[in-house]
Amino acid sequence: GAGVSQTPSNKVTEKGKYVELRCDPISGHTALYWYRQSLGQGPEFLIYFQGTGAADDSGLPNDRFFAVRPEGSVSTLKIQRTERGDSAVYLCASSLSSRDRAISDYGYTFGSGTRLTVV
Amino acid sequence: RKEVEQDPGPFNVPEGATVAFNCTYSNSASQSFFWYRQDCRKEPKLLMSVYSSGNEDGRFTAQLNRASQYISLLIRDSKLSDSATYLCVVNKGYGNKLVFGAGTILRVKS
Repeated sequence: GAGVSQTPSNKVTEKGKYVELRCDPISGHTALYWYRQSLGQGPEFLIYFQGTGAADDSGLPNDRFFAVRPEGSVSTLKIQRTERGDSAVYLCASSLSSRDRAISDYGYTFGSGTRLTVV
Repeated sequence: RKEVEQDPGPFNVPEGATVAFNCTYSNSASQSFFWYRQDCRKEPKLLMSVYSSGNEDGRFTAQLNRASQYISLLIRDSKLSDSATYLCVVNKGYGNKLVFGAGTILRVKS
């Protein structure tokens, strides 16, 4: 597609429930990133994929969070047993590659995010 | 200490003013630097990359001081439409994640 697409745009869930957030990157972008942004803060890194594999998952806060990208395109961020503290905007971004100059010259392109509210 | 630190503001300036934002980063191995702009309830969008020699894009000028680990953004002739949050962003190297500051809020008033 023309841009990074994230669905749903808004998600309200009850504490303890499971949620999945989807990201469809720009066609041809091999690198995909998940960030989380809380009110008044900058985006906080969660995980990034180069192709199908998670190249760096050091930002995932705990084992309730998991992400997959089985075919190297669409990615799903999965949150189990949601807590109120998980409420935030979850941003996905993609870039041509994490191995070439694309990052240093162009940064990332973000999707419009999924606003998750845990009640 | 945060990896990227910014003055949160808000900076309230009149139209036509010149305003400067500063940012410091802690990792001396950082290689790439950016300013992103984020409008209320929108995603961050790349404003400009920051190069060692300094660079300009219209009314916007970015500077990098590697020795002091300091990045700046200067906006001349501010417009109402410049009102947004400006995020200072650092990349530790090829293949690594971007690290974002918390952002500086700019409000331009008529």
